[in-house]
Amino acid sequence: SQQGEEDPQALSIQEGENATMNCSYKTSINNLQWYRQNSGRGLVHLILIRSNEREKHSGRLRVTLDTSKKSSSLLITASRAADTASYFCATDRNTGGFKTIFGAGTRLFVKA
Amino acid sequence: DTEVTQTPKHLVMGMTNKKSLKCEQHMGHRAMYWYKQKAKKPPELMFVYSYEKLSINESVPSRFSPECPNSSLLNLHLHALQPEDSALYLCASSHPGLAGGPDRETQYFGPGTRLLVL
Repeated sequence: SQQGEEDPQALSIQEGENATMNCSYKTSINNLQWYRQNSGRGLVHLILIRSNEREKHSGRLRVTLDTSKKSSSLLITASRAADTASYFCATDRNTGGFKTIFGAGTRLFVKA
Repeated sequence: DTEVTQTPKHLVMGMTNKKSLKCEQHMGHRAMYWYKQKAKKPPELMFVYSYEKLSINESVPSRFSPECPNSSLLNLHLHALQPEDSALYLCASSHPGLAGGPDRETQYFGPGTRLLVL
């Protein structure tokens, strides 16, 4: 079963606007990651936030984590057409090998 | 070299065929993964190898048989597949988590093999 659920499922914005995606999960985690996937291709790691962290930044990306609400958000500021992709959150449970479970994903479309 | 390569890019096979998917990385990663991804769905974990040993099998049908011949290579052998097995198959690898290196949880993905079973 999926650990992470994301909303919205799809998001369409204009270039220059900010995009916010949310992820909720069900069980305790070691960390939460965000990945990007361009259409039909492999995933690219964006950022990892550990369970004892609340906020992390990387370039135009800002990730927050609220373990009490079991939720995370990814903010992309000043979006570009090249940001058009699917974004997935992923959580890890250490079960003898790292078992990564991906959320359903948010499809972001940035209009030029 | 910071990439994971997968061959072939596309594969069409019949239900009686035997084929193999290959994955290779030269980043010194000691964990390697196979995922299956259907259209508009997230990747689903199939297998995890850690130090060339199978550590996780997510109850994958036996018609999928993984193999890790060495620390750089990961194969997925396919036999008697069903049309519902058509999907994008993604390989990934991750670092062992040595001091000063990237987070061990960060996975590096290949571009995938798009499989069609007829």
